[in-house]
Amino acid sequence: AQSVAQPEDQVNVAEGNPLTVKCTYSVSGNPYLFWYVQYPNRGLQFLLKYITGDNLVKGSYGFEAEFNKSQTSFHLKKPSALVSDSALYFCAVGRGGGATNKLIFGTGTLLAVQP
Amino acid sequence: GAVVSQHPSWVICKSGTSVKIECRSLDFQATTMFWYRQFPKQSLMLMATSNEGSKATYEQGVEKDKFLINHASLTLSTLTVTSAHPEDSSFYICSAQDIEAFFGQGTRLTVV
Repeated sequence: AQSVAQPEDQVNVAEGNPLTVKCTYSVSGNPYLFWYVQYPNRGLQFLLKYITGDNLVKGSYGFEAEFNKSQTSFHLKKPSALVSDSALYFCAVGRGGGATNKLIFGTGTLLAVQP
Repeated sequence: GAVVSQHPSWVICKSGTSVKIECRSLDFQATTMFWYRQFPKQSLMLMATSNEGSKATYEQGVEKDKFLINHASLTLSTLTVTSAHPEDSSFYICSAQDIEAFFGQGTRLTVV
């Protein structure tokens, strides 16, 4: 069965500092991994994905994530946090791709960037 | 990226009434859409998979007679909450996907 864990309910970081939001996964076969961001009372916005290829994936708004197969992790990172990055972040895992593939979401991590 | 539009953004209804939420894929054809429910400060819970031209597939524990899903065209899926009660108050989100999922804006339902 697929599962994804986000061990931190909240991450606090000062503006300008690097940030990391953690995600680990469990899936049989090759994983499809995603990060989404959600602002209050809004749907989720796609940030980046890992399907295959380079382990370091670059996405929207300066975010990147590193796929680590041995540690089954896909942590989200940004070199310099902005106050506007404050939001709820979800990691998701799928098995295979395509329009009918169910995604399993983590519980979410609230990122708070202090000015 | 692709655009998925969800309507309404918010709705308040009286207990016992029914509410319909629409989910449209604006620039691509979606044979499959997904409906999620999100409680405050919690993750998305998949309710059902909406299949164009056939019955929806519901997740375990989701009442199909209460949450009616219709996917009559390749660009429109609807979720109807029937005989709504206060415990149905929640944030409902739809998505369609190619490889990654594209989400609607969500609908805040409040049943009073």
